[in-house]
Amino acid sequence: GENVEQHPSTLSVQEGDSAVIKCTYSDSASNYFPWYKQELGKRPQLIIDIRSNVGEKKDQRIAVTLNKTAKHFSLHITETQPEDSAVYFCAASNPEEYGNKLVFGAGTILRVKS
Amino acid sequence: NAGVTQTPKFRVLKTGQSMTLLCAQDMNHEYMYWYRQDPGMGLRLIHYSVGEGTTAKGEVPDGYNVSRLKKQNFLLGLESAAPSQTSVYFCASSYASDRYTDTQYFGPGTRLTVL
Repeated sequence: GENVEQHPSTLSVQEGDSAVIKCTYSDSASNYFPWYKQELGKRPQLIIDIRSNVGEKKDQRIAVTLNKTAKHFSLHITETQPEDSAVYFCAASNPEEYGNKLVFGAGTILRVKS
Repeated sequence: NAGVTQTPKFRVLKTGQSMTLLCAQDMNHEYMYWYRQDPGMGLRLIHYSVGEGTTAKGEVPDGYNVSRLKKQNFLLGLESAAPSQTSVYFCASSYASDRYTDTQYFGPGTRLTVL
């Protein structure tokens, strides 16, 4: 089955700097890769996703890149702000598998210092 | 439009007690999922359902049962709670497709403590 590894487990950056979180996956048939943000005590919320027919997707200060050959994808946050502090989860899904299940990485705690 | 809701928000059980967590969604989603979240381990799938009357095991199903009697509701049961089941439980739902994976929307979570 699919296995997703996420690095780093914690990341501290100065406000205004960029942050990069990386994930690798094992199932070459996976083709959907969402990123969720979870603030303390809240539910995970989708912030951006990418499908394997594109290599990069951008939404204002956040972007995701995908390298299908190497089986890794990354979240990039530019001009970080204190409100970006949260736990970020990557996930992967193989739609050919029953139930369209997501397999999540272990999460990255991002701290933005002002 | 409430989205995905969960009840209760918090619960404390003694070892051996039973309880049921309720998830409800008003988005007419076919697929529903139950996850548990433990520190440093991300979200792990317990059970899921692809439609009314169907259930299937996820990654960590032992000690849990589920039922999907109505399309909008997905129940998670603990028959005999154990301290290892102390966790935060999240329900999620999504549209169904056999061609692509759609966005999963999460409920607010239930924090369960088993003493």
